[in-house]
Amino acid sequence: SYELTQPPSVSVSPGQTARITCSGDALSRKYAYWYQQKSGQAPVLVIYEDSKGPSGIRERFSGSNSGTMATLTISGAQVEDEADYYCYSTDSSGNHRVFGGGTKLTVL
Amino acid sequence: QVQLVESGGGLVKPGGSLRLSCAASGFTFSDYYMSWIRQAPGKGLEWISYISSSGSAIYYADSVKGRFTISRDNAKNSLYLQMNSLRGEDTAVYYCAREEPPGAGNWFDPWGQGTLVSVSS
Repeated sequence: SYELTQPPSVSVSPGQTARITCSGDALSRKYAYWYQQKSGQAPVLVIYEDSKGPSGIRERFSGSNSGTMATLTISGAQVEDEADYYCYSTDSSGNHRVFGGGTKLTVL
Repeated sequence: QVQLVESGGGLVKPGGSLRLSCAASGFTFSDYYMSWIRQAPGKGLEWISYISSSGSAIYYADSVKGRFTISRDNAKNSLYLQMNSLRGEDTAVYYCAREEPPGAGNWFDPWGQGTLVSVSS
C-alpha cells in the first residue's frame, strides 16, 4: 500500500522558519495537501494543491512539491502554530487517500 | 455556514456493530464526495472510506474492507458508516469530511468534530 513519510517531530524557536517534509513516490504525479491539528480539535486545511493557501489561513504558511517530496514551510513560526501537521495525498490511481504519519511541531 | 455533525459513537463489545451518522448543512450536499477518516487515541489520521456525490463510486481502506459500509442519503443531507465485526483496533475518533472540489473529490475540507467509538469488552 502507498505510504507518505514525515519526520515525527520538528522544533524551532519563535520567529524562525519551520520546514516539514513529506516523501512519497506518487507525489511527482499527485498534489500534496497539509492539515494542522491542534490538541483536541479536528484537522484544518492549511495548504492545498501543493502550494495554495485557503482563505483565512495566515500567509506565513506555504507549500512546495519538488517531485517525490513535498514541504510545508512556516515562516516566522509562532507559539500558536504548535500542532501536529499531516501531509495528505492519493495513490497513483487516485482512489485511495493516504495521510503521512504526522509531525509534531514545537515552537519554544 | 458549512457544518458537519457526527453522531452514533459509543462503547461496543468486540464483534459488535455500530452505525455512525453525519448530518451536513450549509452547502449542497448532493454535489460533494464525502469521506470517513478516523484517529486512534494518540495516533495519526487514517482515511477509511469515500463515497461519490451520487453514491455510485465507493472505496475502502484495506483495514475496514468487508466490515464497514459507507452510504449516503442526499434527500436527508446525511452520510452514514455501518461498522460490523468491530475490533479493539477500531477504537478511534471518527470524522466525516467533505471532499473538495465539488463533483470530483480530492481533499478534505471541512471536517466534523468527530465521534468517539470505543471497542472493549
